[in-house]
Amino acid sequence: SYELTQPPSVSVSPGQTARITCSGDALPKQYAYWYQQKPGQAPMVVIYKDSERPSGIPERFSGASSGTTVTLTISGVQAEDEADYYCQSADNNGAYPVFGGGTKLTVL
Amino acid sequence: EVQLSESGGGLVQPGGSLRLSCAASGFTSSSYFMNWVRQAPGKGLEWVSTISGSGGSTYYADSVKGRFIISRDNSKNTLYLQMNSLRAEDTAVYYCAKEMATNGHGIDYWGQGTPVTVSS
Repeated sequence: SYELTQPPSVSVSPGQTARITCSGDALPKQYAYWYQQKPGQAPMVVIYKDSERPSGIPERFSGASSGTTVTLTISGVQAEDEADYYCQSADNNGAYPVFGGGTKLTVL
Repeated sequence: EVQLSESGGGLVQPGGSLRLSCAASGFTSSSYFMNWVRQAPGKGLEWVSTISGSGGSTYYADSVKGRFIISRDNSKNTLYLQMNSLRAEDTAVYYCAKEMATNGHGIDYWGQGTPVTVSS
């Protein structure tokens, strides 16, 4: 079955830039989405269609795509950004959603 | 305002059944694919099932195929998940999720989740 691969954890100090990658063979054909999930809460989309930012999401969140890898970048990380981040896309046939394993962002 | 509200979760014995519901409001439900996504305790998000806007097409993760049935009643703006032959590994919070109607099955709205515990 199709898989999306993320690093399990990323740590940064406040004010630094955090980059979380997600790799998958179908990413050149399928858009990627990024979700933020804080403890006890439902996920929330922070980036859609590789690089679009929903209204209400701070400008420090950005997304980029290059070949089989997509990247979520958080510039000027704040303590409130500490959360789990999941990438999501679809398989080559676009039949169903697939989630990455998630990355725990720790703000030191 | 789009709202999704799940119900029907609870404690069930292995081999038992449970039916989850998701009441939707704030959008024309028949226009969008809907999903069930689950999260086991301390684990990541796992896609469970997808249904097309009309209900005519359904998709299942291998882990639930043959045991779970997704359905929808657009006249009631409600999504369902019938879960049969439940196993301990089905224990999770189950989220109802609305797709964006974009390539890649992106999700723009999630419910608050309903917990399901399978245990004797």
